[in-house]
Amino acid sequence: DADVTQTPRNRITKTGKRIMLECSQTKGHDRMYWYRQDPGLGLRLIYYSFDVKDINKGEISDGYSVSRQAQAKFSLSLESAIPNQTALYFCATSDLPSGSSDGELFFGEGSRLTVL
Amino acid sequence: AQKITQTQPGMFVQEKEAVTLDCTYDTSDPSYGLFWYKQPSSGEMIFLIYQGSYDQQNATEGRYSLNFQKARKSANLVISASQLGDSAMYFCAMRELGYGGATNKLIFGTGTLLAVQP
Repeated sequence: DADVTQTPRNRITKTGKRIMLECSQTKGHDRMYWYRQDPGLGLRLIYYSFDVKDINKGEISDGYSVSRQAQAKFSLSLESAIPNQTALYFCATSDLPSGSSDGELFFGEGSRLTVL
Repeated sequence: AQKITQTQPGMFVQEKEAVTLDCTYDTSDPSYGLFWYKQPSSGEMIFLIYQGSYDQQNATEGRYSLNFQKARKSANLVISASQLGDSAMYFCAMRELGYGGATNKLIFGTGTLLAVQP
């Protein structure tokens, strides 16, 4: 089983609908992230969380919200989806950089969202 | 503000040859880390290699090496003996450590699409 699991893997929805993308991890990491990937733009950070009580906006948080339900769960919501939110969304986790960890991100398999 | 630049949208390389993927970065933080990730057509993100700003030697992982030139703020990925399975999108990323290593946000470049030809 994957250490970082995203659901759904694919979703097609209509403009104005509320969408939730869920992420769960078994790596025991405190730090979790949501990125979106668009062709030619790379990965851009939407929100990140360093523990259950700590939520931070990334560079493109407008139109999105998140919930950190537990150490292992971090959900991304689109309250009213619009077509330019069509993208590949990645959840990721990381450990704190230390002598035993470079602090690299471990990614889920991605959730492809299409907003019509 | 931190920034990552990958100027090569796409590259071709012949199988068994070496290839260099360029990455330059900008940061005012003296403590940072540089990462390379591979994204095959299947979409998953695969961590390849890491270089810390204070590391004295260039990082190597198998056929991957990172040509770290701190004064030029470049962190190019070198893939030796390219294989067909190396065909993928490659992303350079940077993390500023800040004080106490607390930030750990990774900022990504726009990627380079590598095609290995037989």
